[in-house]
Amino acid sequence: SAVISQKPSRDICQRGTSLTIQCQVDSQVTMMFWYRQQPGQSLTLIATANQGSEATYESGFVIDKFPISRPNLTFSTLTVSNMSPEDSSIYLCSVMEGTGKVLGQPQHFGDGTRLSIL
Amino acid sequence: GDSVTQMEGPVTLSEEAFLTINCTYTATGYPSLFWYVQYPGEGLQLLLKATKADDKGSNKGFEATYRKETTSFHLEKGSVQVSDSAVYFCALSERRNTGFQKLVFGTGTRLLVSP
Repeated sequence: SAVISQKPSRDICQRGTSLTIQCQVDSQVTMMFWYRQQPGQSLTLIATANQGSEATYESGFVIDKFPISRPNLTFSTLTVSNMSPEDSSIYLCSVMEGTGKVLGQPQHFGDGTRLSIL
Repeated sequence: GDSVTQMEGPVTLSEEAFLTINCTYTATGYPSLFWYVQYPGEGLQLLLKATKADDKGSNKGFEATYRKETTSFHLEKGSVQVSDSAVYFCALSERRNTGFQKLVFGTGTRLLVSP
């Protein structure tokens, strides 16, 4: 399965600043996803990022707050903008091999970025 | 929308005990089902999956059977080890209007295994 590297692995940021998280995959993948995992909670999908098209955001998430880039088939970034303490979470990058339209294809996850906002 | 319900944790067991973590789902179609595991400080790893009714997924001594009649996908292991201590997530994949699939996760169940 694909190997996914996220940077940074953790960070502590000041309120009002922005942070860009990078996700690098060791193979070309069509579909990449960004999730948020708040402390002690399950995963919530932020957006789906397909190369060559605008990211598709889930309800409750907007591009101004979480801009995403997907410049090629092996890389994506998620920016958390104008951060507040409520943004303290683990942010996870995930990829799905194949077209994403065949039910049953699993997603593979990076180790996540642990973000704390002071 | 589709949803996944897992038993609340933590589940606390002694080494070599039998493990069951319950998972039930609600879906309009025929989803694929997954178990993911998250070890401390790490991301999620796929543990096993099943794509149709009566399929049994298995890996590292863990098993789960896709039961359509009870809409369940319970995770079992005959003899747990301390190294199995982690958070376990049940998930299903649903097909969206776009044709692409989306994973829906349960809330996770923390397993603590003591020597």
